[in-house]
Amino acid sequence: KNEVEQSPQNLTAQEGEFITINCSYSVGISALHWLQQHPGGGIVSLFMLSSGKKKHGRLIATINIQEKHSSLHITASHPRDSAVYICAVRGAGSYQLTFGKGTKLSVIP
Amino acid sequence: EAQVTQNPRYLITVTGKKLTVTCSQNMNHEYMSWYRQDPGLGLRQIYYSMNVEVTDKGDVPEGYKVSRKEKRNFPLILESPSPNQTSLYFCASSQGAGGPAEQYFGPGTRLTVT
Repeated sequence: KNEVEQSPQNLTAQEGEFITINCSYSVGISALHWLQQHPGGGIVSLFMLSSGKKKHGRLIATINIQEKHSSLHITASHPRDSAVYICAVRGAGSYQLTFGKGTKLSVIP
Repeated sequence: EAQVTQNPRYLITVTGKKLTVTCSQNMNHEYMSWYRQDPGLGLRQIYYSMNVEVTDKGDVPEGYKVSRKEKRNFPLILESPSPNQTSLYFCASSQGAGGPAEQYFGPGTRLTVT
């Protein structure tokens, strides 16, 4: 069973700061997902990646398969980025998803 | 509008009273899944379905049943709910019978079992 660890658990940043959230997993995977859960509870998918790097607006996700590690970066953070960010992995040859416990981000004006 | 709907959104029930939470998607997705979210434990997968009539257990299937008779619907059944099933439940769907791709989540169902 894959173990997924996220760090930090909580993060407070000033508006405009560059933010990094980390995700490590224990067993080889076929894909990794980054999700955003809004304060109201809704969950949206940000990225799915299996190698390299993806960018969408101010968000960048990277993955290093050899090191079993992924990072989510937010450039020029804004209070509307305040949310819980969740990493999830799909094991190699598996249809299941295993989730990290999330990183709660608060961006202060 | 592409969406995943869940009903009900909120439910308070008593121990042992059978209930069903419905989930429906309008995107013709093959993969559908149920998750529960608990404080300190995060999201955990209950059951998933790769296509019609194909379902399998996730990490926490005990006390739950599912069925996938139609592509768009994936109901979650609690035959005899217990207080430890009090939780926030999410249904999600994605393209690809080969496994979960980009996930589209429903709005969640908050269940309380007394």
